[in-house]
Amino acid sequence: DAGVIQSPRHEVTEMGQEVTLRCKPISGHDYLFWYRQTMMRGLELLIYFNNNVPIDDSGMPEDRFSAKMPNASFSTLKIQPSEPRDSAVYFCASIHGGGHEQYFGPGTRLTVT
Amino acid sequence: SQQGEEDPQALSIQEGENATMNCSYKTSINNLQWYRQNSGRGLVHLILIRSNEREKHSGRLRVTLDTSKKSSSLLITASRAADTASYFCATDNNAGNMLTFGGGTRLMVKP
Repeated sequence: DAGVIQSPRHEVTEMGQEVTLRCKPISGHDYLFWYRQTMMRGLELLIYFNNNVPIDDSGMPEDRFSAKMPNASFSTLKIQPSEPRDSAVYFCASIHGGGHEQYFGPGTRLTVT
Repeated sequence: SQQGEEDPQALSIQEGENATMNCSYKTSINNLQWYRQNSGRGLVHLILIRSNEREKHSGRLRVTLDTSKKSSSLLITASRAADTASYFCATDNNAGNMLTFGGGTRLMVKP
């Protein structure tokens, strides 16, 4: 298996622009998590899905952030409009419901200027 | 606030020495996990210890858990330069497989 796939790996955009981050979980995994990592705040859980349904989005910082999972093999995290404080590394992770170990993707480094 | 807090925040040792990292948490847990993150990469799962376990080994890794003190430690024996990374503890305290990560310990192993 290729593992969790994220794209793009790097994104540089200007303030006010829409940003879409993409994630393909490991096949057969039924949980998907979106995290944000910064030096100041560490690794924060933004939202997670079970069987494509959002379960807990309490970590989503504000309405500018939205996430979808239209099917079991694809999820997006969208920021509209983006702000410089959104600059961070965004990780996607997945697990099989019978397990506990989370498998992380390589992350997307977002820079908003 | 974060559930898990690692101590120390940074650790520098010589190759061959042992490295010990500690994690404290605040609420009851089902299990505690340790992850490693190499610079510029995603996190990689190392080991899981359940709340009814006190010690667990995996290769050069030894994890202890003291639920009365709400703390865990990760020991890496005979460290290697390749062990240089950040190490995070993560707690799972509900049935939704949601993890809360600590701030991490940055370990540098000098050759």
